[in-house]
Amino acid sequence: AQKITQTQPGMFVQEKEAVTLDCTYDTSDQSYGLFWYKQPSSGEMIFLIYQGSYDEQNATEGRYSLNFQKARKSANLVISASQLGDSAMYFCAMRVLLTGGGNKLTFGTGTQLKVEL
Amino acid sequence: IAGITQAPTSQILAAGRRMTLRCTQDMRHNAMYWYRQDLGLGLRLIHYSNTAGTTGKGEVPDGYSVSRANTDDFPLTLASAVPSQTSVYFCASSVQAGYNEQFFGPGTRLTVL
Repeated sequence: AQKITQTQPGMFVQEKEAVTLDCTYDTSDQSYGLFWYKQPSSGEMIFLIYQGSYDEQNATEGRYSLNFQKARKSANLVISASQLGDSAMYFCAMRVLLTGGGNKLTFGTGTQLKVEL
Repeated sequence: IAGITQAPTSQILAAGRRMTLRCTQDMRHNAMYWYRQDLGLGLRLIHYSNTAGTTGKGEVPDGYSVSRANTDDFPLTLASAVPSQTSVYFCASSVQAGYNEQFFGPGTRLTVL
């Protein structure tokens, strides 16, 4: 069964420091996609970054990078130069193909990040 | 304004009542989805639609129904609400069913008493 595991319920980081949020996944599919979403206290889900299973290079989007280690089945999110506005819940997700031909995102339980002065 | 809108923003509902959560997108995306978010469980897929006129069941479809009469709208109906359906409901869309990114609406907070 496809599953996403986020083992850090909460993380603290000082402003301007880098932080790594852990994500491991389980799938028997050869083709899959991994995502990170940010959910601030206002509640909306904001897409951050995507990594395809066949992508050879780690994805980067501004201050966000995804440390993709396929053999270990991990897809950790690295946020560089943390800002107060980065305080939020972060979800790792995996695209899973459905029997009916569609697809869904399977989400982890999230990591609450707090950036401190 | 491009994106996904959901209505209502929040609702308190008596058990046994019927309720329809509305979702509209103006990005002409083919695929749309309904998720529910519960504390400690993350987001779980309720129903999905690959294209107008088709729908499919997600992982927690019981007690919910959907329709997709056109590209833009994807309403979610609770025929007879129960307290376990208290949750935050997110509508999402993507360009195609297998496309990379899903865009999410702002969510509807539903409380069933």
